[in-house]
Amino acid sequence: EDQVTQSPEALRLQEGESSSLNCSYTVSGLRGLFWYRQDPGKGPEFLFTLYSAGEEKEKERLKATLTKKESFLHITAPKPEDSATYLCAVQARTGANNLFFGTGTRLTVIP
Amino acid sequence: DTEVTQTPKHLVMGMTNKKSLKCEQHMGHRAMYWYKQKAKKPPELMFVYSYEKLSINESVPSRFSPECPNSSLLNLHLHALQPEDSALYLCASSPDRVGHEQYFGPGTRLTVT
Repeated sequence: EDQVTQSPEALRLQEGESSSLNCSYTVSGLRGLFWYRQDPGKGPEFLFTLYSAGEEKEKERLKATLTKKESFLHITAPKPEDSATYLCAVQARTGANNLFFGTGTRLTVIP
Repeated sequence: DTEVTQTPKHLVMGMTNKKSLKCEQHMGHRAMYWYKQKAKKPPELMFVYSYEKLSINESVPSRFSPECPNSSLLNLHLHALQPEDSALYLCASSPDRVGHEQYFGPGTRLTVT
């Protein structure tokens, strides 16, 4: 069965303290892995798509990487405005092509 | 432009009311989605439209009725809802059903009293 697990559940960082969020997945053939940022009460904001192991994408202080079993979202020198819930989702090559979401990592960056 | 718009932003309705949620995108996307999200949970898929045809209904109760009038618009008609249906309702769109990221709207916060 397809599964997505994100860790940690919550993370508190001091401003400038770099860290990584993890997304472990088990799918019957990965079609794509997607990272989203979600602020409270708002819709998820698309960040990155990764399609194959070894692929990396960067945007400002964020960098997403992908292996055959997991993806990392690296946050370099975070700022308070990076505080949000970060969601990982996968789409499998078989089945209904739905997105399977992880439960997210709630990031708080303290000034 | 990667904008999906949703109206209303907030909705309070009684259990006997009928209301509708609206979603619009002008990105030329051919797949549109309705999700339901409870607090501190990930979005939960309800319906998928592909090329204006309903392709997936994830065992959603009949008190939720989707409609896709054209390729840019998606509605969700609500009738006889229960308090447990209170949630953030999200609309999303993608270029196609397969292999593309979905772009989400801001959501409608629904409260059923």
